[in-house]
Amino acid sequence: GAGVSQSPSNKVTEKGKDVELRCDPISGHTALYWYRQSLGQGLEFLIYFQGNSAPDKSGLPSDRFSAERTGGSVSTLTIQRTQQEDSAVYLCASSPRHGGTEAFFGQGTRLTVV
Amino acid sequence: AQSVTQLDSQVPVFEEAPVELRCNYSSSVSVYLFWYVQYPNQGLQLLLKYLSGSTLVKGINGFEAEFNKSQTSFHLRKPSVHISDTAEYFCAVSAPGSSYKLIFGSGTRLLVRP
Repeated sequence: GAGVSQSPSNKVTEKGKDVELRCDPISGHTALYWYRQSLGQGLEFLIYFQGNSAPDKSGLPSDRFSAERTGGSVSTLTIQRTQQEDSAVYLCASSPRHGGTEAFFGQGTRLTVV
Repeated sequence: AQSVTQLDSQVPVFEEAPVELRCNYSSSVSVYLFWYVQYPNQGLQLLLKYLSGSTLVKGINGFEAEFNKSQTSFHLRKPSVHISDTAEYFCAVSAPGSSYKLIFGSGTRLLVRP
């Protein structure tokens, strides 16, 4: 596709269930980010993948959160044992390389934990 | 580590009036600076960026920003706003020492009134 694609666009899950959020970056982009945007809040950095380097996981809020990027392309963010405070919009972005290049954002996945 | 401060959570302004959205950053190394805009229910879009060179940067939709190293600021300005400029604006920074990951401020909601 022409842009960053995220799926699903909306996800409602019960507290305690696991969820997987998917991000398809723009083809050829080596850098991929996950951010979390809570209602009325800014963008909280979660994790950053750059090429074959070890990911920067410094923003993951707890060990219930994990992410992987297979083959340097598609990424999956997994939240285990979801809690109500996990409710937010999860945004994915990709960029062609690191260092001053624009990050292109997807439309996000709105996660609601009930 | 880098950080970004957007002191104004909301800025109301009348249509055709000038506006300035403030952004201050903290970093011990040289940084790249960005402004993104998020329209309701949409992803983030790049407005402009500063990498090096001229400290006055022009972006899309008539916006511009000025990098001031001594004041560690990167304020966004527009001489005359339109109703359609109503959106959330995010300032962001990246730096080589942090693997270039984008760190965002908490955002400023620009509310343009007729």
